[in-house]
This record gives sequence, structure tokens and C-alpha cells, in this order.
Amino acid sequence: GENVEQHPSTLSVQEGDSAVIKCTYSDSASNYFPWYKQELGKGPQLIIDIRSNVGEKKDQRIAVTLNKTAKHFSLHITETQPEDSAVYFCAARGSGGYQKVTFGTGTKLQVIP
Amino acid sequence: DAEITQSPRHKITETGRQVTLACHQTWNHNNMFWYRQDLGHGLRLIHYSYGVQDTNKGEVSDGYSVSRSNTEDLPLTLESAASSQTSVYFCASSESMGGPNEKLFFGSGTQLSVL
Repeated sequence: GENVEQHPSTLSVQEGDSAVIKCTYSDSASNYFPWYKQELGKGPQLIIDIRSNVGEKKDQRIAVTLNKTAKHFSLHITETQPEDSAVYFCAARGSGGYQKVTFGTGTKLQVIP
Repeated sequence: DAEITQSPRHKITETGRQVTLACHQTWNHNNMFWYRQDLGHGLRLIHYSYGVQDTNKGEVSDGYSVSRSNTEDLPLTLESAASSQTSVYFCASSESMGGPNEKLFFGSGTQLSVL
């Protein structure tokens, strides 16, 4: 099955700096890569996703890049704010019908004011 | 507004007891999932369902069961609770598998402690 590795497990940045979280996946057939943000005491919430036919996607201060050849994808957050502090999960889903999403182990991001 | 709710939010039980965690969604989604979240392991899939009367095992299904008698509910049962099942449990649902509506909607979680 799919295996997703995520690094780093914790990340501290100063407010206004950029943060980058990296993930690798094992199944070359995977074609959907979502990112979820989990705030304290809440369930994860989708913040951005990318499909394998696209190399980069942006939404305001967040962006995701995908390198299919290397089987890795990354989340970039620019101009970080205290409200960006949370746990972030990457995930991958294989191609074909009814493939399940496999999550990474999570990155705890702390933005220091 | 449509939502997905889990109950209880917190549960303490003893080893060997049967425990059922509730999950209810009002989106009319066919797909429902149960995950457990543990430090260092992220979110691991326990069981999932693609519709009424359909249930499937995930990667960590031992000791757990689910049933799907209607679209809205997917209760998770721990047949005989063990300390290794102390965890935070999340229920999720999605409209589709693949395509533009495959986003997962998560509940707020149930913190389960098995003593």
C-alpha cells in the first residue's frame, strides 16, 4: 500500500517568515495530494490540494508543489501569522476507483510572534 | 448548516469493556471513515464505508467493528477495550471517491482513555 513520510515533525518560525513542510510518497500511481490543517481540539480541515497533472498550486499565502518524478510534494506558507500555528498533515491517494487516502505523520508548526 | 458530529467528546473506560463511539453526518455523504490519531503515527484508517450495509477494514482494524444501517451514521465499536486503544478517534465523510468532491470532512474527535 501507499506510504507517506512527512518532515519535519516540528517546526518553529518567527512571524512573517516562511515555513516549508515536505512529504514523500511511495506509490507512483498516486494522483491526488491534499493537505489538512488541524487546530488544537478540532478535526483536520482541508486547506489545499493538488492533482498529479499540476506542478504547483497557490491560494493566497499557501502553495503546494509536486514533483512526480521524485515522488515528493511540499507545502509552503509565506508571511506566517500566529493563526497558522497548528498541526499539518499531508496525504496521498492512489489512482483508480475507491482508493483511500493515506496520511503522513503530521508537522506541528509554531509561529512565534 | 450540514455537519458531522461525534459523541462523546471524552470517554474513560476500563479494559475489557465494550465501547461505542457515535458519528453522525447531515451531508448525506455515502462515504464515511474512522481514523485514530496517535503521536508519531498521524491519522490511521480503522474502518470505512461506501454506503448503507457496506463496511471495510482499514489498516488498523483489529479490535474494532462498524455497522452502517443508514446514510447518516457510522458507529465504531471496541469489542473489548484495551489500553493500546487509548487514542483520539476521528470520524470523517466525503461526497465522492476521486473527483472534485472527494474532500474529507472531519468531526471534532473523541478522546478515549482505556484504564
